[in-house]
Amino acid sequence: ELKVEQNPLFLSMQEGKNYTIYCNYSTTSDRLYWYRQDPGKSLESLFVLLSNGAVKQEGRLMASLDTKARLSTLHITAAVHDLSATYFCAVIQGAQKLVFGQGTRLTINP
Amino acid sequence: GAGVSQTPSNKVTEKGKYVELRCDPISGHTALYWYRQSLGQGPEFLIYFQGTGAADDSGLPNDRFFAVRPEGSVSTLKIQRTERGDSAVYLCASSTSPDRVNEQFFGPGTRLTVL
Repeated sequence: ELKVEQNPLFLSMQEGKNYTIYCNYSTTSDRLYWYRQDPGKSLESLFVLLSNGAVKQEGRLMASLDTKARLSTLHITAAVHDLSATYFCAVIQGAQKLVFGQGTRLTINP
Repeated sequence: GAGVSQTPSNKVTEKGKYVELRCDPISGHTALYWYRQSLGQGPEFLIYFQGTGAADDSGLPNDRFFAVRPEGSVSTLKIQRTERGDSAVYLCASSTSPDRVNEQFFGPGTRLTVL
């Protein structure tokens, strides 16, 4: 059974600092997704990582995938308050269904 | 363009009642997914449709849950004899097809509360 684990589950940080969220998964997969969820809202797609070594960047967020280590990271550079949200990683199981991690609740303080 | 829409946004019902939740996917998306998200958790897969047929219903928790997509567009998730444990946010997602990218776009969800 595919398991997806995120670390940390809660993260409180100051504006301007850098930090990394980790996503480990238990069985082989070469497709990994990052989503953002604001309180009471649905999930917004951030990144789709399709191969080993894939790196994608959007603004202050950068995601990478190491399929051999079964690890993805979401790096936040010089955090700003607007990035406060819950971040989920998800891995494809079979051809279609996403298996999500527990989420990382990120709070960025001024 | 219009995203995935879901109705109702909130549904409060009593234990034992029947409920229907509706999902309208992005136009042209042939793949449709239902997930359930409990408070403080990540979404959990329920069922996946490719066109009109349910290609994978392995996530449905029991036979009280059923979903249809009769014309390959709108889908309805049906829950019979609701229980308090069914309370959650039910999310619908769609994608262009189950190709390699398979980026799934989520709707706003229906918050179901069973009293």
